[in-house]
Amino acid sequence: SAVISQKPSRDICQRGTSLTIQCQVDSQVTMMFWYRQQPGQSLTLIATANQGSEATYESGFVIDKFPISRPNLTFSTLTVSNMSPEDSSIYLCSVGGAAGQGYEQYFGPGTRLTVT
Amino acid sequence: GENVEQHPSTLSVQEGDSAVIKCTYSDSASNYFPWYKQELGKRPQLIIDIRSNVGEKKDQRIAVTLNKTAKHFSLHITETQPEDSAVYFCAAIFTGGGNKLTFGTGTQLKVEL
Repeated sequence: SAVISQKPSRDICQRGTSLTIQCQVDSQVTMMFWYRQQPGQSLTLIATANQGSEATYESGFVIDKFPISRPNLTFSTLTVSNMSPEDSSIYLCSVGGAAGQGYEQYFGPGTRLTVT
Repeated sequence: GENVEQHPSTLSVQEGDSAVIKCTYSDSASNYFPWYKQELGKRPQLIIDIRSNVGEKKDQRIAVTLNKTAKHFSLHITETQPEDSAVYFCAAIFTGGGNKLTFGTGTQLKVEL
């Protein structure tokens, strides 16, 4: 499977600031997604990162709060804007559609965000 | 949209026993069902998956069964070992609708010595 990295691995941020999380894959993938996992909870899809066009957001998530970029088939960023303590969570990217694979999706190591 | 329910939320078994986790889904168009294992502080790892044209799939000590009519699927772990202790998530995808994963709520499996 593809090797997926995320930066930063963790951060502590002040409320009102923004943080940009990077997701890098070592091979081209057709699909990239961003998820949020709050402590002790399941994973919730934030948006699908579309290469060369605007991301597709799920209900409850908006572009102004979570702007996403995907400039190519191996890289995406998620920004958490104007943060509040409620944004404290783990943010994970997932990828799918690598060459030779079917529907499988694989996750990056995650970014643990704490907002104070 | 898709809704996935997962039971039980916690499961404790003795080492060597079997463990079964069950999920139901709402969207009859869903056609791909992966299972993920997440150890504490780690990323979810894909451990097995099944497509809707298959009723059962096995990989060593783990197996998944799918009942399309009833819209439920299950994870079976045999001969459990302490390293099987983790949170397990089921998920469902309709591959014609953007391949978005909808996750169940998770099962905390504890394998006791």
